[in-house]
Amino acid sequence: TQLLEQSPQFLSIQEGENLTVYCNSSSVFSSLQWYRQEPGEGPVLLVTVVTGGEVKKLKRLTFQFGDARKDSSLHITAAQPGDTGLYLCAGDPGTDKLIFGTGTRLQVFP
Amino acid sequence: DSGVTQTPKHLITATGQRVTLRCSPRSGDLSVYWYQQSLDQGLQFLIQYYNGEERAKGNILERFSAQQFPDLHSELNLSSLELGDSALYFCASSGRGRHGYTFGSGTRLTVV
Repeated sequence: TQLLEQSPQFLSIQEGENLTVYCNSSSVFSSLQWYRQEPGEGPVLLVTVVTGGEVKKLKRLTFQFGDARKDSSLHITAAQPGDTGLYLCAGDPGTDKLIFGTGTRLQVFP
Repeated sequence: DSGVTQTPKHLITATGQRVTLRCSPRSGDLSVYWYQQSLDQGLQFLIQYYNGEERAKGNILERFSAQQFPDLHSELNLSSLELGDSALYFCASSGRGRHGYTFGSGTRLTVV
């Protein structure tokens, strides 16, 4: 069974702090995505990384795909209350069916 | 608006009943996926359809079934409902050449 473990599970920080969320697996993925979900809404795609070692930046968010394409990280610089939400990584093992991570719930206080 | 439409948004029903959840995928998307999200289990894959045909099955109970119609909308049927079926049910769609899924806003099912 392919599993994607995210850490930490919960994160509560003050506005302006930096944070990193990790997504780890023992399986190789052809691509990996990060989603953010707000209460009462469906997950929204933030980014897709495809190549091992790839780094993508989206404003204050930096996403990295591990060299072996088994893990990924999301780094947020100077977090803001609007970053609050559930962050989900999802791996594509090449079967057109995404495997979702366990999720990281982020709360940013003003 | 993501382009994926789910109805109803909320549903409250009694144990033993049957409900139907509906999903219209993003225009042009042939694949539809159904996920269940409960507080303690994250997003659990239920089933995938591609252009009317079942493509993959996940941890879907025998009491649950789904189909995708010629106009590509999909329905998820949940029967003999139990308290533990209370959850958010999401539909997502994807298209050729596009990474990732587009999710609907979900249906919150409460079984009482």
